[in-house]
Amino acid sequence: DVKVTQSSRYLVKRTGEKVFLECVQDMDHENMFWYRQDPGLGLRLIYFSYDVKMKEKGDIPEGYSVSREKKERFSLILESASTNQTSMYLCASREATGLRNEQFFGPGTRLTVL
Amino acid sequence: AQKITQTQPGMFVQEKEAVTLDCTYDTSDPSYGLFWYKQPSSGEMIFLIYQGSYDQQNATEGRYSLNFQKARKSANLVISASQLGDSAMYFCAMRPLGIYNQGGKLIFGQGTELSVKP
Repeated sequence: DVKVTQSSRYLVKRTGEKVFLECVQDMDHENMFWYRQDPGLGLRLIYFSYDVKMKEKGDIPEGYSVSREKKERFSLILESASTNQTSMYLCASREATGLRNEQFFGPGTRLTVL
Repeated sequence: AQKITQTQPGMFVQEKEAVTLDCTYDTSDPSYGLFWYKQPSSGEMIFLIYQGSYDQQNATEGRYSLNFQKARKSANLVISASQLGDSAMYFCAMRPLGIYNQGGKLIFGQGTELSVKP
């Protein structure tokens, strides 16, 4: 059974802290993604990676960075957390080849920045 | 600009009835894929159905079907015989299939919250 896991379901941090959100997939997928989900805005892409050490900015990369040192792990980093980064964060992965391949999502991390 | 629009923030349906969730899209790419995902209150995103822009027939997966009207740029999800477990947020998404989207990223709509009444 395919699986994407995220390190925390709920996280509370203080303004200015450095925050790490971890995502691990066990499907040997090449592509991995980080989204944030806000009411009324749907999911917006922050960053994605199409291979180890390869990354590309999504639609809202400001205030975030990512790391992909191993194929199965994709980390999202908030360099200095701010209250407007309070959101639900979803990680996803997909197999690179194949037009129909859907993205598989993790359970999400609900981050609150105080 | 590439965009997905879901104009129904919330909908109600009676159990066992059919319901249509609207989705329109905007893209200049000739090739694209359209996806629907379900997100229950637990938060995980569940893939439901896929339609390719060149597919000749509308996609179906069990009680889910996609009413694809290419000229109108719409890809509505039809759920037949609604069940209480269908209560969830539903997202329409598009994946442009051009060379500038090698990573396979998706563009999501705002979502529609469906409530099924007993």
